[in-house]
Amino acid sequence: ETGVTQSPTHLIKTRGQQVTLRCSSQSGHNTVSWYQQALGQGPQFIFQYYREEENGRGNFPPRFSGLQFPNYSSELNVNALELDDSALYLCASSPAGTGYGYTFGSGTRLTVV
Amino acid sequence: DQQVKQNSPSLSVQEGRISILNCDYTNSMFDYFLWYKKYPAEGPTFLISISSIKDKNEDGRFTVFLNKSAKHLSLHIVPSQPGDSAVYFCAASSSLQGGSEKLVFGKGTKLTVNP
Repeated sequence: ETGVTQSPTHLIKTRGQQVTLRCSSQSGHNTVSWYQQALGQGPQFIFQYYREEENGRGNFPPRFSGLQFPNYSSELNVNALELDDSALYLCASSPAGTGYGYTFGSGTRLTVV
Repeated sequence: DQQVKQNSPSLSVQEGRISILNCDYTNSMFDYFLWYKKYPAEGPTFLISISSIKDKNEDGRFTVFLNKSAKHLSLHIVPSQPGDSAVYFCAASSSLQGGSEKLVFGKGTKLTVNP
């Protein structure tokens, strides 16, 4: 059973650019959630995808968007990058829309300069 | 508005002693609570959880206590081992539309267990 894999592991972007982060969910999990963890903070919920539809969203602006594909993998896109977007982005998969039983990936460390 | 609070950024204990990590919350609608452990360069790993209708859950060396009236939970690790050194996050489950759930995390407590 494979876990959650995220790519890339590290990324450096310039302010104003766009970035796409990728996540492959754990086998058997059809729900993917994305979290942002800023330095010294706990993970903050960005949004969740279930059956290729956005299933809930946290307090993040519309320039944060996502997709889920038929194989349950997911992308997080961030447009017009700002310095405060520098953070660890965590993807978590779970069965059937629950928060219970989350499996987290190791994250993508995004640095915006 | 931080709904889940971990007021101790760090905790240091001796190997073999008890580690007690604390967490407070403000939202009485949370369904259940979870503890995650995080090592550097890894994602958070689920440790133990407790339903809002229980007051204690035990799994090996780990026990979580819930005091609903005080909106407080704690994680006890007995005996503590050096391999327990990590950042511990308290999280609460919050409902989304359509019956789904998200997790609300505290800021974490860095536990160091000294040999």
